[in-house]
Amino acid sequence: DSGVTQTPKHLITATGQRVTLRCSPRSGDLSVYWYQQSLDQGLQFLIQYYNGEERAKGNILERFSAQQFPDLHSELNLSSLELGDSALYFCASSPRQGADGYTFGSGTRLTVV
Amino acid sequence: AQSVTQLGSHVSVSEGALVLLRCNYSSSVPPYLFWYVQYPNQGLQLLLKYTSAATLVKGINGFEAEFKKSETSFHLTKPSAHMSDAAEYFCAVTAASYDKVIFGPGTSLSVIP
Repeated sequence: DSGVTQTPKHLITATGQRVTLRCSPRSGDLSVYWYQQSLDQGLQFLIQYYNGEERAKGNILERFSAQQFPDLHSELNLSSLELGDSALYFCASSPRQGADGYTFGSGTRLTVV
Repeated sequence: AQSVTQLGSHVSVSEGALVLLRCNYSSSVPPYLFWYVQYPNQGLQLLLKYTSAATLVKGINGFEAEFKKSETSFHLTKPSAHMSDAAEYFCAVTAASYDKVIFGPGTSLSVIP
């Protein structure tokens, strides 16, 4: 157990639907990062939050949004889902910034049918 | 901007042989460098990190990596491969501070008995 908790582990949904992925960072970590992993794109950075504030954005689609709450857990919202959104979504956390190295959760496998 | 290339998407070694996984980076500032390992159906786990201290970095499971600024490389090695080393390995870079970590495409390591 890495200390980063992601729920749900698996999610199957239909095109056009909306889902929410949840991440609880390791105790004491202030930064949360979301990554998408697919066979053709590899590991793509989506977005970073630090202590509730958005700090960096990567290749995140407009249909996707995220937030970090006062208790530091984070949610990634994916809407108007398309088949191509099927992927593993990882959350990672670190004490402060990227230079600390990340602790990853075990991921949420999203399948859009 | 930072980027990472990993030479060889797939590497096969015999059990007991030397493991060498190659990583080259591009960074406009002194980088922080990482190696992560991903076992099937799991999240990424930090193997080791370089943060401008010693150029030879020792990590978990007998792995080590050497930072060579002149070659912009951070190759991962292990003297003797074990069956349990079979996994996907990712090299990653960040410019530290608030910057996000950028991952390479990964190298899949197979260990042949």
